[in-house]
Amino acid sequence: EAGVAQSPRYKIIEKRQSVAFWCNPISGHATLYWYQQILGQGPKLLIQFQNNGVVDDSQLPKDRFSAERLKGVDSTLKIQPAKLEDSAVYLCASSPGGSPSTDTQYFGPGTRLTVL
Amino acid sequence: AQSVAQPEDQVNVAEGNPLTVKCTYSVSGNPYLFWYVQYPNRGLQFLLKYITGDNLVKGSYGFEAEFNKSQTSFHLKKPSALVSDSALYFCAVRGMNNNDMRFGAGTRLTVKP
Repeated sequence: EAGVAQSPRYKIIEKRQSVAFWCNPISGHATLYWYQQILGQGPKLLIQFQNNGVVDDSQLPKDRFSAERLKGVDSTLKIQPAKLEDSAVYLCASSPGGSPSTDTQYFGPGTRLTVL
Repeated sequence: AQSVAQPEDQVNVAEGNPLTVKCTYSVSGNPYLFWYVQYPNRGLQFLLKYITGDNLVKGSYGFEAEFNKSQTSFHLKKPSALVSDSALYFCAVRGMNNNDMRFGAGTRLTVKP
């Protein structure tokens, strides 16, 4: 079974530029998550989708971050414009979607973003 | 809101010795607890989880964790450490009907030959 795919793996941009990340979850997984992991910290949930609907985006900085999952499969996360403090690893995860609290989340390799 | 504390930034053990990585949690209602491991330049890999039932949970690669409700702890253990176990370990907690999984800051485990 293929795991969660993410691209690109690495991205370097200058502040105020835009950037987009792509995620393809495990086949059949209804729930998709985007996390931000700052160096030295645990991952922090940015947004959660159930199929193509947003379940939780309370910690997404909506003035600059946006995400979509139009067909209920793959997803993109965009930052526009980027700030220095956005430098982090962006992790995508997916889960079957049967039970929000108890489902196991499976993570992709992440995209390491450096903002100069 | 739920939270997790991993009181040790770093744990060092010798190969062959038992290891423990500590985790305490705070949540309203029943906790759902998870352990993940992260190798360099890799995403998080699931090790085990506690949902209900037996307090001792067995997971991947010989790891196990013990849920202790009175101490609000969920420590990760392995009877005999391997050098290849060296990695960053994260504990996480979710509450009932709660979408937000909260992670600890991580504990770096180093197993020396």
